[in-house]
Amino acid sequence: AQSVTQLDSHVSVSEGTPVLLRCNYSSSYSPSLFWYVQHPNKGLQLLLKYTSAATLVKGINGFEAEFKKSETSFHLTKPSAHMSDAAEYFCVVSSMNRDDKIIFGKGTRLHILP
Amino acid sequence: DTEVTQTPKHLVMGMTNKKSLKCEQHMGHRAMYWYKQKAKKPPELMFVYSYEKLSINESVPSRFSPECPNSSLLNLHLHALQPEDSALYLCASSQPGGNYGYTFGSGTRLTVV
Repeated sequence: AQSVTQLDSHVSVSEGTPVLLRCNYSSSYSPSLFWYVQHPNKGLQLLLKYTSAATLVKGINGFEAEFKKSETSFHLTKPSAHMSDAAEYFCVVSSMNRDDKIIFGKGTRLHILP
Repeated sequence: DTEVTQTPKHLVMGMTNKKSLKCEQHMGHRAMYWYKQKAKKPPELMFVYSYEKLSINESVPSRFSPECPNSSLLNLHLHALQPEDSALYLCASSQPGGNYGYTFGSGTRLTVV
């Protein structure tokens, strides 16, 4: 069965420094992978997605992620953190059964220090 | 229009009340979803409608009753809820297949008293 693991439940970085949120997946096929962001008391917003095209995916708000099949990873990065990036981030993998299900990681809370 | 609109944004209801949550999208998406999210947890799938037909029910109690009147609308009817049902209820839509990414609404914050 497929699964997704977010390696850190909390990450703290200073404003202006790089952000790295780690995600590993497990799948017996080539999955689609996504990162979503959720600000407090809001819905989820799609940051970026990988669907078997380019392995380096650029998203909104300066975020990008690289699909590494050999490492089964899909880490999210941003060169310079902004205070508005403080939020919960979810790594998501599509279902093997292509049955409209997606599988969420447990989430990483990103804290931005002034 | 690239949004999913959910109403109401907040709802407080008693355990004997009947209420409905509403969700609307005009992106031509043919799959729509209800999720429940508790604090500090990822969303949990409740129901999936694909082409206006219920395709997935994740063993949700019958006090939650979904309805998809047409391809743009999704309702969640609530009856005899329990305090533990208090949560953020999220609606989402996508093209069917799970590979395209979902568009989520802002959610309804439900409190059962």
